[in-house]
Amino acid sequence: ETGVTQSPTHLIKTRGQQVTLRCSSQSGHNTVSWYQQALGQGPQFIFQYYREEENGRGNFPPRFSGLQFPNYSSELNVNALELDDSALYLCASSTTGGYGYTFGSGTRLTVV
Amino acid sequence: AQSVTQLDSQVPVFEEAPVELRCNYSSSVSVYLFWYVQYPNQGLQLLLKYLSGSTLVKGINGFEAEFNKSQTSFHLRKPSVHISDTAEYFCAVSEYTDKLIFGTGTRLQVFP
Repeated sequence: ETGVTQSPTHLIKTRGQQVTLRCSSQSGHNTVSWYQQALGQGPQFIFQYYREEENGRGNFPPRFSGLQFPNYSSELNVNALELDDSALYLCASSTTGGYGYTFGSGTRLTVV
Repeated sequence: AQSVTQLDSQVPVFEEAPVELRCNYSSSVSVYLFWYVQYPNQGLQLLLKYLSGSTLVKGINGFEAEFNKSQTSFHLRKPSVHISDTAEYFCAVSEYTDKLIFGTGTRLQVFP
């Protein structure tokens, strides 16, 4: 069985730009969640998608948005990047009901 | 609201010694509890989870955790650590499996 894959692994963007991060869910998983992990911190929940609809959102502004596709892959889009958006972005997939999420290796975003 | 407190930011220990990483949580409802490990420059790997049933949960790599509802704790233990256990460990809680709330992490450093 395949795991969760994220791309790209590293990314450098300039303040004010827009970025799209991609995630391919583990086979058989229909729920995907995105987390932001700042340096030295625990991951913070951004949002979750189930059946292509947002199904819960953390305390993040609207410039953080997402998509889930029919094949359960997902995108995280961040507009108007700020320096504080520099972090490791983690994608996690699960089956309905969770019971343990499978995480990808993350995308390291640096905003300069 | 849910929260997770990991009482120790760093735990140094010698190889083959026992270790306990402490985790306390707060929640107004029943919860699911998880421990994840993060190796440098990698995503999160699930060590073990408590959903229901026996309060002693066994996970991978020889780790186990005990759920104590009265003390709202979910401490992680290993009777004999190895150099390869050096990593960041995160405790997480979930209500109804919609999102994970993470603690700030405990850095386990195993010395030879």
